[in-house]
Amino acid sequence: DAGVIQSPRHEVTEMGQEVTLRCKPISGHDYLFWYRQTMMRGLELLIYFNNNVPIDDSGMPEDRFSAKMPNASFSTLKIQPSEPRDSAVYFCASSLGGTGRRETQYFGPGTRLLVL
Amino acid sequence: AQSVAQPEDQVNVAEGNPLTVKCTYSVSGNPYLFWYVQYPNRGLQFLLKYITGDNLVKGSYGFEAEFNKSQTSFHLKKPSALVSDSALYFCAVRRDDKIIFGKGTRLHILP
Repeated sequence: DAGVIQSPRHEVTEMGQEVTLRCKPISGHDYLFWYRQTMMRGLELLIYFNNNVPIDDSGMPEDRFSAKMPNASFSTLKIQPSEPRDSAVYFCASSLGGTGRRETQYFGPGTRLLVL
Repeated sequence: AQSVAQPEDQVNVAEGNPLTVKCTYSVSGNPYLFWYVQYPNRGLQFLLKYITGDNLVKGSYGFEAEFNKSQTSFHLKKPSALVSDSALYFCAVRRDDKIIFGKGTRLHILP
């Protein structure tokens, strides 16, 4: 398996533009997580899905952020409109369900987002 | 609420010396504890986990962690550090279906 795939790897955009980040989890994994990492705030969980259903979106910073998982092999994180404070590295991770397994998460390489 | 604390922002160790990266936890009930590592410009990688059983847990790359219930600690250790161990290390605890990460400790192995 190729692991968790994220695209794009780097994104530079201007304030006010829409940004869409994409993730393909490891085949067969039923949990998918979106994280944001910054120097100031560390690693933050934004939202996670189980079997394509959003379970907890309490980490989504505001209504400008939205995430979808239309099927088991694809998820998107959208920011509209983007702001400079959204600049961060966004990670997607996936895992298998089951006690003791779901916590072993496999991370993608991340998308480095810069909003000017 | 479940949480972890990593008291050191950075740890410096000479190559070949033993290393310890500290983590303390606060949980209700039985803790599920984890260590992840992040190399530069990469995503996090799972190292090891404690769910139940032996207090000494062995993981990838020669790392191990000791669960100490009385001290509520889960320190990461390695007997002999390598320069390639230089990275950012995260301790984490399970809360519901998700895991909560500590702020991370940057480990520098000096040649």
